[in-house]
Amino acid sequence: QQQVKQSPQSLIVQKGGISIINCAYENTAFDYFPWYQQFPGKGPALLIAIRPDVSEKKEGRFTISFNKSAKQFSLHIMDSQPGDSATYFCAANRDDKIIFGKGTRLHILP
Amino acid sequence: EPEVTQTPSHQVTQMGQEVILRCVPISNHLYFYWYRQILGQKVEFLVSFYNNEISEKSEIFDDQFSVERPDGSNFTLKIRSTKLEDSAMYFCASRFEGETQYFGPGTRLLVL
Repeated sequence: QQQVKQSPQSLIVQKGGISIINCAYENTAFDYFPWYQQFPGKGPALLIAIRPDVSEKKEGRFTISFNKSAKQFSLHIMDSQPGDSATYFCAANRDDKIIFGKGTRLHILP
Repeated sequence: EPEVTQTPSHQVTQMGQEVILRCVPISNHLYFYWYRQILGQKVEFLVSFYNNEISEKSEIFDDQFSVERPDGSNFTLKIRSTKLEDSAMYFCASRFEGETQYFGPGTRLLVL
């Protein structure tokens, strides 16, 4: 119930394409859903986040779509660039701790 | 831009030895955390700390682990007697009052 399931494990996208990463959760007590970006050797950095009362949030090329009834949410990266190559973690907050998904290793081909 | 810093960046230790990982959270932040990431796996919550006491801890955070905020700036994680399976990247995080936690660059711990 504490898990956040993330897919795919790895993703290769052509430059300019759309990268889509999907996540699902079970626990309806989660109240905040951040996405973190992690480059090799660095800590996770907050990319974008959404609350469950909002169905979509867009910041630049990054969009979160949130489906509360299905308990699913996804990250879309439009016009993907080689600099977006990183590991992406979806997450959910509950009781002041973050539960992370297993991560998606994204590689954007130049 | 203020950031969370961690020292050392790498630590190699022998099994059974004590290690202390250090963090300097962002200066006006009130809530502090430790997470770990075993190589190739997800980031896992260890402990949260607020008002000089532990708020919550995971099942990973057993009696071998302790945290301390010895002064107004540092936040430390101590592992009393390290095991091979403690080898991981350890991340410190902090936040002010909103939900966003800011992560440090991590300490890579290798237990031999």
